[in-house]
Amino acid sequence: DIQMTQSPSSLSASVGDRVTITCRASQGISNYLAWYQQKPGKAPKLLIYAASTLQSGVPSRFSGSGSGTDFTLTISSLQPEDVATYYCQKYISAPFTFGPGAKVDIK
Amino acid sequence: EVQLVESGGVLVEPGGSLRLSCAASGFTFSNAWMSWVRQAPGKGLEWVGRIKSKTDGGTTDYAAPVKGRFTISRDDSKNTLYLQMNSLKTEDTAVYYCTTGGRGGVGTSLADWGQGTLVTVSS
Repeated sequence: DIQMTQSPSSLSASVGDRVTITCRASQGISNYLAWYQQKPGKAPKLLIYAASTLQSGVPSRFSGSGSGTDFTLTISSLQPEDVATYYCQKYISAPFTFGPGAKVDIK
Repeated sequence: EVQLVESGGVLVEPGGSLRLSCAASGFTFSNAWMSWVRQAPGKGLEWVGRIKSKTDGGTTDYAAPVKGRFTISRDDSKNTLYLQMNSLKTEDTAVYYCTTGGRGGVGTSLADWGQGTLVTVSS
């Protein structure tokens, strides 16, 4: 099965900072990569699918890129409401494995 | 508006069984592929399995840790998804989420999520 890794596992940044999280697949997955945001005590929320397509209603400060094995989630200007854990997930075929998550908080 | 409401989570002893339900509304449930995802306390997300729409065969796929013990089914007349869990282990303790999607190789992946229901496996 394809394994997913993420880095860093956690980060602290200031409001307004640009934040980048990377996700790597152990084999190529084309662009079948989704990003989810999970705030404490809440269900996850889909942010980005097909590696770079923003889900409806998601702020434009979020963006995704990549294809094959290496992917990136970028928050262009970190806001207090972005404090959350971010997960990548591959969905080229079952099993739809998630990455271990990257926790983002405010410095 | 899509709504997914899970129910059935309780405290159960190791080796026991439990059935979770997910009531769906706001979309054409019979056309939807559906998935279950779980999250152990303080841990990350783990995909559990999915069921295809009946028109696409209605078959299921499962993650290795639950294969042979868990069964996903659906009742399109009731717009309800189920997760039958047998031979439960302490490591199955988690919040279980119902989600739309799971088609694979197309679309948005898991677009909509319920609020989750907590299953605790303990003696």
